[in-house]
Amino acid sequence: GAGVSQSPSNKVTEKGKDVELRCDPISGHTALYWYRQSLGQGLEFLIYFQGNSAPDKSGLPSDRFSAERTGGSVSTLTIQRTQQEDSAVYLCASSLGGVSTDTQYFGPGTRLTVL
Amino acid sequence: AQSVTQLGSHVSVSEGALVLLRCNYSSSVPPYLFWYVQYPNQGLQLLLKYTTGATLVKGINGFEAEFKKSETSFHLTKPSAHMSDAAEYFCAVRMNQAGTALIFGKGTTLSVSS
Repeated sequence: GAGVSQSPSNKVTEKGKDVELRCDPISGHTALYWYRQSLGQGLEFLIYFQGNSAPDKSGLPSDRFSAERTGGSVSTLTIQRTQQEDSAVYLCASSLGGVSTDTQYFGPGTRLTVL
Repeated sequence: AQSVTQLGSHVSVSEGALVLLRCNYSSSVPPYLFWYVQYPNQGLQLLLKYTTGATLVKGINGFEAEFKKSETSFHLTKPSAHMSDAAEYFCAVRMNQAGTALIFGKGTTLSVSS
């Protein structure tokens, strides 16, 4: 079956531009997570969606970062006024529910480069 | 705050040798524990996880890990390394609380030489 997909796979942008990263979770999965993977920082949690509940935004590094999830499925992570330190691989994961024992399935990631 | 420490950012072994990747967590309450593998240019794939029950957990590709509460450890092992095991390995924890995210270690890159 189809796994988690993300687009684009690579994005190069100029400092100060806005970018949108897309995530398509596994069909039927109610929980969706965004993580950031960068050199020196490892994998960091950004934001979590569970069903129709308010998202957990506690991992977002600044107010330039936002995310939405439409119809309980596709999610878009938006970074406004990108900075060079935003360069990283952005990973999306989904799980069947929000139970802590659920396995999170990861997409291939979007590699963002800010020049 | 929860944290995960992976000892050794790089581990090199010969093909056929024992693989041992170390992971320690900090928590007064044992969390749920996971090992993920990331092959080059691919996403993370779950190797195994410990939630409850037997403390020795078997995963895919011949890997296993043992939860030791007294040592707050969850080390990953494989008796005999294959060239195809070369990848980056991440240990992660998650608290027994709905809506919590995974907290990852910094990762260990495993190299396997012939």
